[in-house]
Amino acid sequence: DQQVKQNSPSLSVQEGRISILNCDYTNSMFDYFLWYKKYPAEGPTFLISISSIKDKNEDGRFTVFLNKSAKHLSLHIVPSQPGDSAVYFCAASSNTGNQFYFGTGTSLTVIP
Amino acid sequence: GAGVSQSPSNKVTEKGKDVELRCDPISGHTALYWYRQRLGQGLEFLIYFQGNSAPDKSGLPSDRFSAERTGESVSTLTIQRTQQEDSAVYLCASSFQGALHNEQFFGPGTRLTVL
Repeated sequence: DQQVKQNSPSLSVQEGRISILNCDYTNSMFDYFLWYKKYPAEGPTFLISISSIKDKNEDGRFTVFLNKSAKHLSLHIVPSQPGDSAVYFCAASSNTGNQFYFGTGTSLTVIP
Repeated sequence: GAGVSQSPSNKVTEKGKDVELRCDPISGHTALYWYRQRLGQGLEFLIYFQGNSAPDKSGLPSDRFSAERTGESVSTLTIQRTQQEDSAVYLCASSFQGALHNEQFFGPGTRLTVL
C-alpha cells in the first residue's frame, strides 16, 4: 500500500526553465514532508522539507509547496541546471510513527 | 569522512546463502534506519533502531531478515537463505536523536544480487 506516490517516473526540462516534480499522499496524519535527491551509485541526500503548518518553503532555487486539502506537494526548481539531473524522492512522516514513507521517485533530466 | 558508510558496496550471492550487510552511521547519531530499494521502486522501510533497540521492525519482509546494532553504532542486516526477490539496493540512514523531523543521512547503499 503506497502511501506516498510520485506518478511521473521521469521528467525532462530545458536548462533555465522550471522543473516541477509532484507528489501525492494518502495519510492525513502525515505532518512533515521532505524531498531527497539521489545521484546514481550514491545514497539520497536531503534537499528541502516542509511542515504541515506551512504551505510553502523556499531555499534558493528550490521551493516546496504543500496543499493539505489535496494531499499534494510539489517541488519547483528554477532555473533548472544540468547538475540537477537526478532522481528525486518525496517522503512523508507523522509524529505518531517511526518511519518515513517514500515515493517511487521521479528521474529529472535537465537538457543543456 | 563523517558520512554514513556501508559495506560491501556490491554483493553477489547464490540463492540459499546467507548474507550480512554492514552500516556504520554518523558518530553520535542515535537513530539508524534500514531501507530497501528494488529496481524501479521507492525506498521500502525495513527497520528502525533507537540506540541498540529496535522499536519498529514492522518493515522486515520475512523471518529470514534480521538486524542488530551494537554500541549504539554499527548495525548489521542479515538475510538468511537468500531468494532472488531479495535482490535490491539496501540503504542505511542515520539521524540525530531519532526524531522524525530530523534529517536522515543516507549511506551509498549495498547492491545485493541473488543469482
